[in-house]
Amino acid sequence: DAGVIQSPRHEVTEMGQEVTLRCKPISGHDYLFWYRQTMMRGLELLIYFNNNVPIDDSGMPEDRFSAKMPNASFSTLKIQPSEPRDSAVYFCASSMIRGFDGYTFGSGTRLTVV
Amino acid sequence: SQQGEEDPQALSIQEGENATMNCSYKTSINNLQWYRQNSGRGLVHLILIRSNEREKHSGRLRVTLDTSKKSSSLLITASRAADTASYFCATLDTGRRALTFGSGTRLQVQP
Repeated sequence: DAGVIQSPRHEVTEMGQEVTLRCKPISGHDYLFWYRQTMMRGLELLIYFNNNVPIDDSGMPEDRFSAKMPNASFSTLKIQPSEPRDSAVYFCASSMIRGFDGYTFGSGTRLTVV
Repeated sequence: SQQGEEDPQALSIQEGENATMNCSYKTSINNLQWYRQNSGRGLVHLILIRSNEREKHSGRLRVTLDTSKKSSSLLITASRAADTASYFCATLDTGRRALTFGSGTRLQVQP
């Protein structure tokens, strides 16, 4: 397996624009997680899915953020409209059994909003 | 919010020395995990220790867990320059469903 695949690796966008981040989890993993990493706040859980269903989105900072998982092999995280404070590295991770085994992380998307 | 707090925040050692990192947490947990992150990369799972375990080994890694003190330590023996990275502890809290990560320790191993 190629691991968790995220795209794009880097994204630079202007404030107010829509941004879509993509993730392909490992086949057979039932759980998918979106985290955000910044120097100030560290790694924060945004949302996670189980069998394509959103379970906990309490970490999504505001309504500008939305996430979907239309099937077991694809998830998106959308920010609309984007703001400079959204600049961060966004990670997708997947696992077979929530938290009871290790997570496999993607390489992340570095988002810069100018 | 961050559950685990790593100590120290940064550590610099010589190749061949041992590196010890500590993690403290606040709530009851199911398990505690350690991850490594190389600069500009994603996190890599290193080792998992369950709440009913006290010590676990994997290669040059040794993890201890003291649930009474709500603390864990990661020992890397005979460190190598390739061990240079940030190390994070993460807890699966009882009543929560996803890992909560600490703030990390930046380890620099000088060749």
